[in-house]
Amino acid sequence: DGGITQSPKYLFRKEGQNVTLSCEQNLNHDAMYWYRQDPGQGLRLIYYSQIVNDFQKGDIAEGYSVSREKKESFPLTVTSAQKNPTAFYLCASSMAGMNSYTFGSGTRLTVV
Amino acid sequence: QKEVEQDPGPLSVPEGAIVSLNCTYSNSAFQYFMWYRQYSRKGPELLMYTYSSGNKEDGRFTAQVDKSSKYISLFIRDSQPSDSATYLCAMRTQGAQKLVFGQGTRLTINP
Repeated sequence: DGGITQSPKYLFRKEGQNVTLSCEQNLNHDAMYWYRQDPGQGLRLIYYSQIVNDFQKGDIAEGYSVSREKKESFPLTVTSAQKNPTAFYLCASSMAGMNSYTFGSGTRLTVV
Repeated sequence: QKEVEQDPGPLSVPEGAIVSLNCTYSNSAFQYFMWYRQYSRKGPELLMYTYSSGNKEDGRFTAQVDKSSKYISLFIRDSQPSDSATYLCAMRTQGAQKLVFGQGTRLTINP
């Protein structure tokens, strides 16, 4: 079955650590996105990529980094510079020009 | 001011009631309007999509867009407990790839 796989489902990070969230899709979608979801704030865009080896900052990119070396993969690194990383992170993908995003099941990151 | 405003609720209604969920927006260039449904601890899934103004109906769900008022609505008829979820509105302009989401409204349908 086609879809988006995010891993891990739950992740715990110590202060000062970098962590990487995985996102893989087998839908042959061109565009991929990372969103952060906090209670009462909806989805806020962190980074997005429309083609391989290219990506753009979203509204809240500070403290995050991404790469897009393969069409299927769009990992997100939460760096130690992100001061409040505890949140639910959602990865999505879409065909170019399409309105329908397919979302993964999310990764819940907690700082301990 | 956010580009898209949505009442976060929570909204609690009895089973069988008609539910109205709403979003307002400030960017008159938005032309594509969507509603996503998100169950607890899951990713959102597309529920309804509308281009420009007008109504669209799909079973118990009706989406309305009023571009003159910059206001969109989602109506749920004969609401069921399985409709309990967070509902997010989303929109984009012509030519833009990324969507702008509202805050989401948490809805509970009580049996």
